[in-house]
Amino acid sequence: EAGVAQSPRYKIIEKRQSVAFWCNPISGHATLYWYQQILGQGPKLLIQFQNNGVVDDSQLPKDRFSAERLKGVDSTLKIQPAKLEDSAVYLCASSPTDGTSGYNEQFFGPGTRLTVL
Amino acid sequence: GEDVEQSLFLSVREGDSSVINCTYTDSSSTYLYWYKQEPGAGLQLLTYIFSNMDMKQDQRLTVLLNKKDKHLSLRIADTQTGDSAIYFCAELVIFGTGTRLQVFP
Repeated sequence: EAGVAQSPRYKIIEKRQSVAFWCNPISGHATLYWYQQILGQGPKLLIQFQNNGVVDDSQLPKDRFSAERLKGVDSTLKIQPAKLEDSAVYLCASSPTDGTSGYNEQFFGPGTRLTVL
Repeated sequence: GEDVEQSLFLSVREGDSSVINCTYTDSSSTYLYWYKQEPGAGLQLLTYIFSNMDMKQDQRLTVLLNKKDKHLSLRIADTQTGDSAIYFCAELVIFGTGTRLQVFP
């Protein structure tokens, strides 16, 4: 079974530029997550989708970040415009459960390392 | 708000036991999880414990849960160099700061 795929793996941009990340979850997984992991910290949830609906986006900086999950499968996360403090690894994860309660194993992709200069 | 805290660093000799500690704040969590992150990779679920349990053993791994103190620990027996990684405790989507385990020969 293929794992969670993410691209690109690395991205370097200048501040105020735009960037987009792509995630393909494990086939059949209903729930998809985007996390931001700043160096030396744990992952912080940005947004959680169940199928193509948003479950939680309370920590998404909506003035610059946006995310969508069309047709309940692939997802894209966009930053426009980027700031220096957005430098981080962006992790995508998926799970077969609804992600709100009960046992919920998340399967993580390798992440996209973003450097904002 | 919800918070999960861990010590940042642990260094052990190969063959010794490692104990990684975690404190959490949300007492409603049904399950608590331990994830492992190797360099350049995403997180991978290592083990978990149901909140009604106080201990779970899985081969070299032992998870202890003290609900009264909201304290979770992960013990790795006979620690190997391949165990060197960052370990995160988590409740649902709230992750700790991570503990970097370094194993030296």
